[in-house]
Amino acid sequence: EVQLVQSGAEVKKPGESLKISCRGSGYTFVTKWIAWVRQMPGKGLEWMGIIYPRDSDTRYSPSFQGRVTISAAKSTSTAFLQLNNLRASDTAMYYCARQDIFFFNDNTYYSWDSWGQGTMVTVSS
Amino acid sequence: DIRLTQSPSFLSASVGDRVTITCRASQGINTFLAWYQQKPGKAPKLLIYAASTLHSGVPSRFSGSGSGTDFTLTISGLQPEDFATYFCQQLNSYSYTFGQGTKLEIK
Repeated sequence: EVQLVQSGAEVKKPGESLKISCRGSGYTFVTKWIAWVRQMPGKGLEWMGIIYPRDSDTRYSPSFQGRVTISAAKSTSTAFLQLNNLRASDTAMYYCARQDIFFFNDNTYYSWDSWGQGTMVTVSS
Repeated sequence: DIRLTQSPSFLSASVGDRVTITCRASQGINTFLAWYQQKPGKAPKLLIYAASTLHSGVPSRFSGSGSGTDFTLTISGLQPEDFATYFCQQLNSYSYTFGQGTKLEIK
């Protein structure tokens, strides 16, 4: 069974940094991209970035470029999301998700088929 | 960036009803679209990908259609467990924007 297990809730002060993790199991971790998604309280889903653990190829959403760093450790099948200079507006639930791939009619289709349980981050002075 | 606009934002329906949610893209995205269901306090769950392919284990009362800029998610015969928020997402070459969501409530 594919599983993504995220690290626990965090409480931080403005200006601090944060690094949360997402450990994959039940599949070959390095072969699937892992995405990170932010969901502010009562709001929708925002894509932050995505990493291919095999070679650490990483792409960032323009909305988050420069504020976040995504990395991966192949040896522990874990992806990481780092946020620097935290502010109150970073208070949110953060999810990781596995990207699966499907080929049909000369097209390449993607889906985010497995998700972590979420990590709640609270930034407050 | 490609924008996705869902309608309606809120939908009230009864058990057994047939409901349709629409997702419109700001530019053509072929069929690179997925639908997710999210319940309060839980992670999203994949329902449909490639606009119309049902993810493994998802009940057949869920269906998706569309291509280009206009897409629909239809639930035929609402069940109590279907009351949730639904999101569309476009997945096209490292661009993964979501719609704003449609909250489906019990009438």
